[in-house]
Amino acid sequence: KAGVTQTPRYLIKTRGQQVTLSCSPISGHRSVSWYQQTPGQGLQFLFEYFSETQRNKGNFPGRFSGRQFSNSRSEMNVSTLELGDSALYLCASSPFVQGEYGYTFGSGTRLTVV
Amino acid sequence: KNQVEQSPQSLIILEGKNCTLQCNYTVSPFSNLRWYKQDTGRGPVSLTIMTFSENTKSNGRYTATLDADTKQSSLHITASQLSDSASYICVVRVNDYKLSFGAGTTVTVRA
Repeated sequence: KAGVTQTPRYLIKTRGQQVTLSCSPISGHRSVSWYQQTPGQGLQFLFEYFSETQRNKGNFPGRFSGRQFSNSRSEMNVSTLELGDSALYLCASSPFVQGEYGYTFGSGTRLTVV
Repeated sequence: KNQVEQSPQSLIILEGKNCTLQCNYTVSPFSNLRWYKQDTGRGPVSLTIMTFSENTKSNGRYTATLDADTKQSSLHITASQLSDSASYICVVRVNDYKLSFGAGTTVTVRA
């Protein structure tokens, strides 16, 4: 079956702009989690959505937001971009909330803020 | 301070050789520990998962060990191949859901 699909793969934005990233989970998976990965910080948890509801949230400012649709697809939005937001953004899907049976990651969206 | 520490930060090995990566954690209570392999520009892929009661888990040439008493885990790569060049990430799941990630070990396999 198809894996986790993230679009776009690469993105270049200017400081102050906003960006929306998309994640389509594995068919049948209802949980989608988002992570930010940078060389200095490693993987950091942003938030998790399950059945269109945000279930968990990491320690990121309110500029980072997300949502999940009825088909389990999820979007992540970052407003007022800063240079430090440059990172690989990964989403991971899981059959149930809290990744009890593990996560499958997408290939990520590489965001560069200039 | 990160609750999951991995060492070394990076290592270079010759093709065909073995290597061992370390993961020490302080999180509690412990639910499970996973090792992920992340190729450059790709998302992490799960290699092994171990619960509190498991000591060893293998996946091909990858063997993970867990000592829940000392809170240490290792990932052993046998007969390394060029395709093993990647970042290896240790992830510990706490009982109340929280996931703690290690910073990863970058492995470079040279011919």
